[in-house]
Amino acid sequence: DAEITQSPRHKITETGRQVTLACHQTWNHNNMFWYRQDLGHGLRLIHYSYGVQDTNKGEVSDGYSVSRSNTEDLPLTLESAASSQTSVYFCATGDSGYEQYFGPGTRLTVT
Amino acid sequence: GDSVTQMEGPVTLSEEAFLTINCTYTATGYPSLFWYVQYPGEGLQLLLKATKADDKGSNKGFEATYRKETTSFHLEKGSVQVSDSAVYFCALSGSNSGYALNFGKGTSLLVTP
Repeated sequence: DAEITQSPRHKITETGRQVTLACHQTWNHNNMFWYRQDLGHGLRLIHYSYGVQDTNKGEVSDGYSVSRSNTEDLPLTLESAASSQTSVYFCATGDSGYEQYFGPGTRLTVT
Repeated sequence: GDSVTQMEGPVTLSEEAFLTINCTYTATGYPSLFWYVQYPGEGLQLLLKATKADDKGSNKGFEATYRKETTSFHLEKGSVQVSDSAVYFCALSGSNSGYALNFGKGTSLLVTP
């Protein structure tokens, strides 16, 4: 069965460190997305990609970057982690029908 | 820009009670509308969707009708179960957001026996 996985599931890091969160999908979808979930804010879009070598900024992209070198993976990098980036991060994938499939999430704590 | 507003939670209901979670939206054009559900400790799952005005999405006893005249997509269920306890998110995908989803803040539902 097709799936979307995220790793690690939990991460604790220190302020100023670079952190990369992995997202891997076997749906063979072109569209991939990163969201963060915070209490009182719902889910907010960080970055997204509509295909290999394509990346776009979302609503809350400052301090984050992504790269898309193949269809299956869209890693999210926090260049210099800040306490404000403590959150739960969800990766999602979708086709042109707008429906999206979500990964299980990564809980990141920045101390 | 596009936005989604849904009722604040938490909502607490007894088993077999009727559920309504209100959702209204602002968008240009004709967005697609979705309800996603998040069970504790898990990612989001699509519950139902509607892609044009007057469409009714339904799944697992939940329903929502795309009302363009009132810009609403309220979620309803006639008889909730304890297993429906979760957080429910209304979302839209429209011309301003490409294929990305614009979410409401979520409504937490607790169903008690």
